[in-house]
Amino acid sequence: GQNIDQPTEMTATEGAIVQINCTYQTSGFNGLFWYQQHAGEAPTFLSYNVLDGLEEKGRFSSFLSRSKGYSYLLLKELQMKDSASYLCAVKPHNYGQNFVFGPGTRLSVLP
Amino acid sequence: EAQVTQNPRYLITVTGKKLTVTCSQNMNHEYMSWYRQDPGLGLRQIYYSMNVEVTDKGDVPEGYKVSRKEKRNFPLILESPSPNQTSLYFCASSLALGGLSEQFFGPGTRLTVL
Repeated sequence: GQNIDQPTEMTATEGAIVQINCTYQTSGFNGLFWYQQHAGEAPTFLSYNVLDGLEEKGRFSSFLSRSKGYSYLLLKELQMKDSASYLCAVKPHNYGQNFVFGPGTRLSVLP
Repeated sequence: EAQVTQNPRYLITVTGKKLTVTCSQNMNHEYMSWYRQDPGLGLRQIYYSMNVEVTDKGDVPEGYKVSRKEKRNFPLILESPSPNQTSLYFCASSLALGGLSEQFFGPGTRLTVL
């Protein structure tokens, strides 16, 4: 089966750094994606990792360890607008377009 | 403007009454997908299409049909909707790029089946 775990909720303060973890157990691995979803809106793409290591994109970074089945999304210099759900998704196969999403982590940024 | 559109955005219907949710993208993307999103379960993939006339099941295809007669359109069909199909539905599209490109999501369709 396919299983992806994320913390349900997190709270952080404006200006701080927060790390959102994602662990996965899937039948295969061909890439891990992070999406942001504001309440009532569609998900929007943040980053993806295929190889182990850190990918940096401005205030957002994503890390992957394939041997541990683990990823995290790091958000720096938090802003109020970062309050949203963060979705971790795995593409298990190198064929097809099947994606497995985690339940999402709802982040609240407080002033 | 590059976008994915879905219609209708909101729909309330009754059990057994066939319905279609349309999805259209103007980015010439090869790949398209349908997802449903339920509280605590996250996004679950219903069907996907890798090109015209090429569709495949996702993780929760039961009770749904799709078709891909044109590259830009990927309608979702519920032949006989049931209350357990009440959910928020998203259509998404992406470039081929070996399957590792970002997905662009439509605004969502909130469906209630009574």
